[in-house]
Amino acid sequence: AQSVTQPDIHITVSEGASLELRCNYSYGATPYLFWYVQSPGQGLQLLLKYFSGDTLVQGIKGFEAEFKRSQSSFNLRKPSVHWSDAAEYFCAVGANQAGTALIFGKGTTLSVSS
Amino acid sequence: GAVVSQHPSWVICKSGTSVKIECRSLDFQATTMFWYRQFPKQSLMLMATSNEGSKATYEQGVEKDKFLINHASLTLSTLTVTSAHPEDSSFYICSAQSGTGVLGGQPQHFGDGTRLSIL
Repeated sequence: AQSVTQPDIHITVSEGASLELRCNYSYGATPYLFWYVQSPGQGLQLLLKYFSGDTLVQGIKGFEAEFKRSQSSFNLRKPSVHWSDAAEYFCAVGANQAGTALIFGKGTTLSVSS
Repeated sequence: GAVVSQHPSWVICKSGTSVKIECRSLDFQATTMFWYRQFPKQSLMLMATSNEGSKATYEQGVEKDKFLINHASLTLSTLTVTSAHPEDSSFYICSAQSGTGVLGGQPQHFGDGTRLSIL
């Protein structure tokens, strides 16, 4: 069955510290992978996506993610977290076909301490 | 670019009322729109997939007669919650995707969501 697992429900990091949010997926075909961020009461904003090619992808707001096929992972990283990064982060996987909905992980809540 | 507008952002109504939520792609044509429901502190659960000009495809467990979806144009899809009850209270989010065929990987662009509260 297709699924996305985000093992960490809640993470707290200090402002300026590095961040890594974990994401593992189970998908029968070649996956398209996404990371979205959601602020409270808001919709989702796309941070970055992986389709093919270079396994290290750069996104907005200084985020990057690395696709590791052997580990079925697509972890999100940021070298230095800002207080404004506090939000809910969702990893998602999609099929290589338009019109197919994304499958979301349960999300990781990021808190940033000063 | 790729802006999706969802309206209203928050609605409170009495039990038994029908509520319509609009999802518009403002600067692109959305071949497919998706409707999700999100409970507090939880992930997005797909309710239905809507393709312009055809009937929506509902996920298992979603009542078609309860949640009416219309996708009459390439820029507008609506979700109507009929005879809403308190258990229908939730955060509803739409997303829109452009592109057709097997050239997939088109990211979904999300609206800001609608918070529905049924009294």
